[in-house]
Amino acid sequence: EPEVTQTPSHQVTQMGQEVILRCVPISNHLYFYWYRQILGQKVEFLVSFYNNEISEKSEIFDDQFSVERPDGSNFTLKIRSTKLEDSAMYFCASSASRGVTGGQYGYTFGSGTRLTVV
Amino acid sequence: DAKTTQPPSMDCAEGRAANLPCNHSTISGNEYVYWYRQIHSQGPQYIIHGLKNNETNEMASLIITEDRKSSTLILPHATLRDTAVYYCIVSTTGANSKLTFGKGITLSVRP
Repeated sequence: EPEVTQTPSHQVTQMGQEVILRCVPISNHLYFYWYRQILGQKVEFLVSFYNNEISEKSEIFDDQFSVERPDGSNFTLKIRSTKLEDSAMYFCASSASRGVTGGQYGYTFGSGTRLTVV
Repeated sequence: DAKTTQPPSMDCAEGRAANLPCNHSTISGNEYVYWYRQIHSQGPQYIIHGLKNNETNEMASLIITEDRKSSTLILPHATLRDTAVYYCIVSTTGANSKLTFGKGITLSVRP
């Protein structure tokens, strides 16, 4: 069964440093997402991406965050200057389509990257 | 905020059916009901979704009431590996749709 692959599985970084979290979505999917989950809290939406641009972002996704699809396979989340409160699990997800087929496809999530900011 | 209400937890015996309820009284006509689960700290896993008809797949069945204000996810023969947090989510499928996770319901399957 196709999978969404995230690397690294665990990243430790010092406060103020930049990190890039990497994701390889399922190859024929068109929509890409980043979510995060702070330990013990809800899964929170960060950003959605379609047709090489951001289609929606949450209040959490401020200027320190950016996303990119640098080639046909990778989807990255960059955090420019990490803060202690950025420590969380970050999940990438992809889906095949929305709208046209009336919600026939669910999201496939990756296993996540645990980001620890020290 | 999530537009669904779920009890915080429930348990069931291994091998028995687990019936997980969800209220979504403010659901709109173009919103689907999705169910996901999260085992420990893994990524959420899609289970099933529906609009108004009951749905069944290899994992579960989804029963949606006629007025669409509530639904029930049924795991017909729960196993210990079904212990997880289950999320009921309503979402449109338009260009700006997204999944909004609530706290979900923690299902504990006991031996």
